[in-house]
Amino acid sequence: SQQGEEDPQALSIQEGENATMNCSYKTSINNLQWYRQNSGRGLVHLILIRSNEREKHSGRLRVTLDTSKKSSSLLITASRAADTASYFCATTLEESNSKLTFGKGITLSVRP
Amino acid sequence: GAGVSQSPSNKVTEKGKDVELRCDPISGHTALYWYRQSLGQGLEFLIYFQGNSAPDKSGLPSDRFSAERTGGSVSTLTIQRTQQEDSAVYLCASSRDRGQETQYFGPGTRLLVL
Repeated sequence: SQQGEEDPQALSIQEGENATMNCSYKTSINNLQWYRQNSGRGLVHLILIRSNEREKHSGRLRVTLDTSKKSSSLLITASRAADTASYFCATTLEESNSKLTFGKGITLSVRP
Repeated sequence: GAGVSQSPSNKVTEKGKDVELRCDPISGHTALYWYRQSLGQGLEFLIYFQGNSAPDKSGLPSDRFSAERTGGSVSTLTIQRTQQEDSAVYLCASSRDRGQETQYFGPGTRLLVL
């Protein structure tokens, strides 16, 4: 079963615009990670945010975590055509502390 | 190593045959994970190794699926008597340790069962 639910399921924006993707989850977590996937193959790790953190930045990426609302958001600023991919949030649960539980993913299209 | 590697990249097999999928984790990573991704089920956890032991096998879908890890490094996922519903991309990931560590994924093996 899916722990995370991303929103929206698909997003299409113009190059240079910002892209905001949301993820909600159901149970308490240890950490939340965002991954990118191109062409249905390997997952590229983007950023990890721990349950005691509220915000993290990495280059053009900004991730927030609200544990009271059990939600996270990924913001990509100044998007590029190369950002076109599927994006997944994944959580490790408190009782599990190991395996990742993924959402269904968001398809981002950045038009040049 | 430079990253997680998996072989083969693609595998086509006939229903009922056995297949072996291989994963080489990043050198020094003690934790290794297998996931699979299919259209109907999304990304699902299969099994987790810490060293050579597998404390969590909860995601293996049936007793046709098994995995082992030797020398704390390479892992093999074996699917016996393959069925068409086994068709998926099988992804391997490794992390420096379990828990609050980033998992790094390999490129996956795309399995097609005819």
